Amino acid sequence: EPEVTQTPSHQVTQMGQEVILRCVPISNHLYFYWYRQILGQKVEFLVSFYNNEISEKSEIFDDQFSVERPDGSNFTLKIRSTKLEDSAMYFCASSEREGGYSYNEQFFGPGTRLTVL
Amino acid sequence: DQQVKQNSPSLSVQEGRISILNCDYTNSMFDYFLWYKKYPAEGPTFLISISSIKDKNEDGRFTVFLNKSAKHLSLHIVPSQPGDSAVYFCAAKVTDKLIFGTGTRLQVFP
Repeated sequence: EPEVTQTPSHQVTQMGQEVILRCVPISNHLYFYWYRQILGQKVEFLVSFYNNEISEKSEIFDDQFSVERPDGSNFTLKIRSTKLEDSAMYFCASSEREGGYSYNEQFFGPGTRLTVL
Repeated sequence: DQQVKQNSPSLSVQEGRISILNCDYTNSMFDYFLWYKKYPAEGPTFLISISSIKDKNEDGRFTVFLNKSAKHLSLHIVPSQPGDSAVYFCAAKVTDKLIFGTGTRLQVFP
């Protein structure tokens, strides 16, 4: 069964450093998302991406964050200068094209645990 | 901003019995609702969904009920199995994004 994959599973970084989290969405999906979950809190939406541009972003997704689809398979989240409060599980998700049978359903990867020291 | 609420943090059910997980929402603009199951150190796994124009959707042991007038939905699992033990999240879709509840930890015991 197709699935979303994410690398690395765990990333440790120093405050102020740049990190790139990587995702490979399900191959025929066209919508891509990033969410995060701070320990003990809700899963929160960060950004959605379609047709090589951001379609929606939350207040959390400030200028320190960026997303990119560098090739036909990868989808990345970059944090330019990490802060302690960026420590969280980051989940990538994808969904079908609009009008597809399961368009409204987002399928999640296993997550990357980011620890900022 | 508590737009999606799961008021029960935990639920314990005997194997073979019915598990009922509840979710309330405040925003009438939500047009689609989903239930996800999550194990520790894994991502949310999609279970079942329902459009706001329906009041019931069934898939095997899982049924979701939507009461729009009460802004309430519930997930029924019957019969419950030990492998169902996990955290269950209710989510509502508006525009592109999902708004998640805080989750309910379900434990199914023999």
